[in-house]
Amino acid sequence: GQQLNQSPQSMFIQEGEDVSMNCTSSSIFNTWLWYKQDPGEGPVLLIALYKAGELTSNGRLTAQFGITRKDSFLNISASIPSDVGIYFCAGRDQGGSEKLVFGKGMKLTVNP
Amino acid sequence: GAVVSQHPSWVICKSGTSVKIECRSLDFQATTMFWYRQFPKQSLMLMATSNEGSKATYEQGVEKDKFLINHASLTLSTLTVTSAHPEDSSFYICSARQTSGSNNEQFFGPGTRLTVL
Repeated sequence: GQQLNQSPQSMFIQEGEDVSMNCTSSSIFNTWLWYKQDPGEGPVLLIALYKAGELTSNGRLTAQFGITRKDSFLNISASIPSDVGIYFCAGRDQGGSEKLVFGKGMKLTVNP
Repeated sequence: GAVVSQHPSWVICKSGTSVKIECRSLDFQATTMFWYRQFPKQSLMLMATSNEGSKATYEQGVEKDKFLINHASLTLSTLTVTSAHPEDSSFYICSARQTSGSNNEQFFGPGTRLTVL
């Protein structure tokens, strides 16, 4: 089945620092999504990307849809303690299926 | 907008009993709802795709007779874990996708923590 490789698996940063994470796929996707999950909660959609090369921002978050359509990255600038959580990438392929493929997640810890 | 609720938020049951989990889209209509399960420190695993008024489509390896899904309306889908056993203990999360509008991605519920004793 389709696989998404998400890296890094975890990061420990100081408050105020920037952080980057990325996802790569073995096949072409026509949609890339980034979600954040807090402990004991469901994922919350952060950014959705629909076009190759698209760069989209949501506050301190910036994400890009890779030109090859097989990768995406998410940047968080000037991190704050509430950025702590698990970040998942997800993709939807070209086949018309509504299903999403999820990465394994990146656990972010922000030290005040 | 795009709020999805789940009930209950947690449930503890005895082995052999059945448990029903509800998923509701509160402010939009969703022809498609999805059910996931998530084990500790792991990603979300899709169990089934539920379409209003039709039978759910189950992922490979998911027993349809054990995990009964009903999507009777555009705002409600239910997952019933039948004859639950300790290995069914997990975090169950639903999502719903809007049928129209510009923002029609999957929006997730808060999850239901199931513990089977």
